[in-house]
Amino acid sequence: NAGVTQTPKFQVLKTGQSMTLQCAQDMNHNSMYWYRQDPGMGLRLIYYSASEGTTDKGEVPNGYNVSRLNKREFSLRLESAAPSQTSVYFCASIRGRALPEQYFGPGTRLTVT
Amino acid sequence: AQTVTQSQPEMSVQEAETVTLSCTYDTSESDYYLFWYKQPPSRQMILVIRQEAYKQQNATENRFSVNFQKAAKSFSLKISDSQLGDAAMYFCAYRRGNSGGSNYKLTFGKGTLLTVNP
Repeated sequence: NAGVTQTPKFQVLKTGQSMTLQCAQDMNHNSMYWYRQDPGMGLRLIYYSASEGTTDKGEVPNGYNVSRLNKREFSLRLESAAPSQTSVYFCASIRGRALPEQYFGPGTRLTVT
Repeated sequence: AQTVTQSQPEMSVQEAETVTLSCTYDTSESDYYLFWYKQPPSRQMILVIRQEAYKQQNATENRFSVNFQKAAKSFSLKISDSQLGDAAMYFCAYRRGNSGGSNYKLTFGKGTLLTVNP
């Protein structure tokens, strides 16, 4: 049982390049989330998927797109990376109403130069 | 919108001593959860403790306990017998209850960096 996995762990991009961050969970959770963590800011929600087939914007969605590929996988895409997107990205999942804890992946450190 | 405030950017404690980290929150909802997460240098987010708003009893997990003051909207974390492995960034987080729709997102404070001195 691997929990929540994220790839890659580190990535360096040049301004304007695109990339997709991958997230998968093997806990049969319904809801999945993407957060970004910036120094002194805590974690902020980018997008979430309450269930397979649905996605919604969070607090800071600009410059990102997401895909809930199936119940296990939730990817985050940067179409044209900007230096302001330099951050640590976390994927998280939650089973649903009954179990309130979110389980986090190990994070991806992204640097955009 | 809900907000979570951690007023102590940094704290330090001597090994084996007790330290309390502060957290206040603002919400108009009556049904919610509060959490403390620990983030060591490895970057992994680790759940430390959870409190349901409807429970009057303060949550406890081994050396970690909370002081939940619902009326004051305060949720502090007490770490007893501090160990070197407790050194980390600690985040307070809020989640709405189950009656508020399907977005179970967490709202985080900005964190408190805890240093444990040997």
